[in-house]
Amino acid sequence: EAGVAQSPRYKIIEKRQSVAFWCNPISGHATLYWYQQILGQGPKLLIQFQNNGVVDDSQLPKDRFSAERLKGVDSTLKIQPAKLEDSAVYLCASSQRTSWSTDTQYFGPGTRLTVL
Amino acid sequence: GQQLNQSPQSMFIQEGEDVSMNCTSSSIFNTWLWYKQDPGEGPVLLIALYKAGELTSNGRLTAQFGITRKDSFLNISASIPSDVGIYFCAGRDNYGQNFVFGPGTRLSVLP
Repeated sequence: EAGVAQSPRYKIIEKRQSVAFWCNPISGHATLYWYQQILGQGPKLLIQFQNNGVVDDSQLPKDRFSAERLKGVDSTLKIQPAKLEDSAVYLCASSQRTSWSTDTQYFGPGTRLTVL
Repeated sequence: GQQLNQSPQSMFIQEGEDVSMNCTSSSIFNTWLWYKQDPGEGPVLLIALYKAGELTSNGRLTAQFGITRKDSFLNISASIPSDVGIYFCAGRDNYGQNFVFGPGTRLSVLP
């Protein structure tokens, strides 16, 4: 079974530029998550999708971050314009959510963003 | 919001030694997950726990869901060099949609 795919793996941009990350979850996984992981910290949830709907985006900085999952499969996370403090690894994860009580998440390799 | 604490923050051990680390929460959780993250990679799921008191093994790894439901423990027996990495716990309570992650325990194994 293929895992969660993410691209690009690395991205370097200057502040105020725009950037987009792509994620393809494990086949059949209805739930997709985007996390931000700053160096030395654990992942922090940005947004959660259930199929093509947003379940939780309470921690997404909506003035500059946006995400979509139009067909309920792959997803794109965008930052526009980027700030220095956005430098981090952006992780995508997916889960089946067939049973809430035994749910778990599987992560992709992440995209390391450096904002200069 | 919910916060998880992990201890120790980092540890250095000799190859072959056993390792113990834990994760604590200020609130009751119904699910605990343990992940390992290697440099430049995403976290990899090691063990999932769903019931208080549950003890689950995965090879040399054993994790327990604390009886109070506010903590979880991960043990690694007979450590080897490839155990090096950062170990994260993640938990979810009865009301949360999402998992909260701890800050991680960085493990170094000396030959």
